[in-house]
Amino acid sequence: SAVISQKPSRDICQRGTSLTIQCQVDSQVTMMFWYRQQPGQSLTLIATANQGSEATYESGFVIDKFPISRPNLTFSTLTVSNMSPEDSSIYLCSVEGGLYGYTFGSGTRLTVV
Amino acid sequence: QKEVEQDPGPLSVPEGAIVSLNCTYSNSAFQYFMWYRQYSRKGPELLMYTYSSGNKEDGRFTAQVDKSSKYISLFIRDSQPSDSATYLCATTSGTYKYIFGTGTRLKVLA
Repeated sequence: SAVISQKPSRDICQRGTSLTIQCQVDSQVTMMFWYRQQPGQSLTLIATANQGSEATYESGFVIDKFPISRPNLTFSTLTVSNMSPEDSSIYLCSVEGGLYGYTFGSGTRLTVV
Repeated sequence: QKEVEQDPGPLSVPEGAIVSLNCTYSNSAFQYFMWYRQYSRKGPELLMYTYSSGNKEDGRFTAQVDKSSKYISLFIRDSQPSDSATYLCATTSGTYKYIFGTGTRLKVLA
């Protein structure tokens, strides 16, 4: 299965600022996914990123708040914009493993103060 | 009602015990069922994958799906301290949109 490198692994940010999270995959993949994992809540899909097209956002998530780039088949970024304490969460990058489910990165633990 | 319900635990068991982790789901269209293991400060990793009803065994792990009662289980035999992690169930009807449970925290005591 693919190996995913995600950075930063953690960060503490001031409210009102933005953070860009990077995700690098060791093989070319068509679809990359961004998830949010809040304490006590299930993994929630934020958006799907395909190379060469606009990301597709799930209900409750908008491009202005979570802009995504997908410049090639091995890389994607997620930006968390104009952050508030409610954005404190773990953000995970993943790729589809066919029938065998998703492969996830180690996640970015974000704290907004 | 959530589409997937999972007891958050925590669940503490002694080393060597048999562990039973469970989820219920509400949508009969779900066909694929997964269990992920997530260690602290790591991303989830796929542990077991099952299609439709039945059992699947892999070493000390057995995944069980009962579609008639919309109930999925993961059994861990001879549990080890290294099994201490959060276990998430997940399901899908066949699309890339998986529905995850909230996860059950397991602690195996040496």
